[in-house]
Amino acid sequence: GENVEQHPSTLSVQEGDSAVIKCTYSDSASNYFPWYKQELGKRPQLIIDIRSNVGEKKDQRIAVTLNKTAKHFSLHITETQPEDSAVYFCAATAYLGYSSASKIIFGSGTRLSIRP
Amino acid sequence: DAGITQSPRYKITETGRQVTLMCHQTWSHSYMFWYRQDLGHGLRLIYYSAAADITDKGEVPDGYVVSRSKTENFPLTLESATRSQTSVYFCASSEPASGGGWSDTQYFGPGTRLTVL
Repeated sequence: GENVEQHPSTLSVQEGDSAVIKCTYSDSASNYFPWYKQELGKRPQLIIDIRSNVGEKKDQRIAVTLNKTAKHFSLHITETQPEDSAVYFCAATAYLGYSSASKIIFGSGTRLSIRP
Repeated sequence: DAGITQSPRYKITETGRQVTLMCHQTWSHSYMFWYRQDLGHGLRLIYYSAAADITDKGEVPDGYVVSRSKTENFPLTLESATRSQTSVYFCASSEPASGGGWSDTQYFGPGTRLTVL
């Protein structure tokens, strides 16, 4: 089945610097790659996603890149701010086999801390 | 996010007891999912449902039962709770994007923190 590996498990960066989180997936049929942010005690919330027909997507300070050949994708956060401190999860789809349904397999998460 | 709710938010139970966690969504999304979240494991899929009366196992289904008699509700039952089922449980829902087989965004409920003593 699909497996998603995420690195690093913890990341500490100085405020204003950039942060990069990397994920690899195993199923070459995966076609949708969302990133979720989870603040302490809160639910995961989608921050950006990318589909397999594009290589890069950007939304203000957040960007995601996808390398289908190597089966890896990355989250880039620039000009980090204290409110970026959270746990970030990558995910990849696993096709369920009927209709257009998919289930999402999550990475194990990265705890990002922004140092003031 | 107010469109998907979970109850109870916190639950303490004892080993061997039956527990049901409720999930309700108001968007009429076709797909609903149950995940458990444990330190070091991220989110793991327990069960999912593509529509009313259609359910299937995820990654860690053992010890859990689901049903979906109505589109908006997707209860998760622990038939005989064990300490290893102490976790935070998240329900999610989504609607498939039209055409192309693309998956759509999953929206998560606020979670239920379950402790089994």
